[in-house]
Amino acid sequence: GQSLEQPSEVTAVEGAIVQINCTYQTSGFYGLSWYQQHDGGAPTFLSYNALDGLEETGRFSSFLSRSDSYGYLLLQELQMKDSASYFCAGLSGGYNKLIFGAGTRLAVHP
Amino acid sequence: ETGVTQTPRHLVMGMTNKKSLKCEQHLGHNAMYWYKQSAKKPLELMFVYSLEERVENNSVPSRFSPECPNSSHLFLHLHTLQPEDSALYLCASSQGSTSGTDEQFFGPGTRLTVL
Repeated sequence: GQSLEQPSEVTAVEGAIVQINCTYQTSGFYGLSWYQQHDGGAPTFLSYNALDGLEETGRFSSFLSRSDSYGYLLLQELQMKDSASYFCAGLSGGYNKLIFGAGTRLAVHP
Repeated sequence: ETGVTQTPRHLVMGMTNKKSLKCEQHLGHNAMYWYKQSAKKPLELMFVYSLEERVENNSVPSRFSPECPNSSHLFLHLHTLQPEDSALYLCASSQGSTSGTDEQFFGPGTRLTVL
């Protein structure tokens, strides 16, 4: 089957750096996406890795290693507004079918 | 504003009721999706429509019936639901590109409670 594993909760302080890991067991994933969801809000797209390596977008970076079936989202200079749930999602075959992990709830404290 | 709207935002229904969820996208996208989000569980893809044609049906019970009359509108018709169907139902749209990332834009969801 296809599944993605990520930690359920992460806690960090303002200004710190946090890494959210995602490991997957599947074949045929074309890439790994990351989405952010605030409480009561809609998931919003953060990044996508089609190739191995690091993708940087402002304070957020995402990494993928296909050989290790592993990726991570790196959040730098954490702010209170970064408190949210973060989902990794594997892009599967067919019409851009996304298989989501259960999400990591990030709590940023002062 | 994500460009994807959903109505109603909240819905309480009995197991014998019939109701419909509506989704509308204003982004000119070609693909639309229904997801179910339950507490502590991954988002579950239910249906995918591309150019108004259903291209994915993820073994969803027949008490959920999707409809896509045009590329901007998507409905989810509900009939004889069970309490375990209570969840947040999210609609999303994307350009429908099959090469590289196809960023999905989500609506705010409908919080459904089945009594």
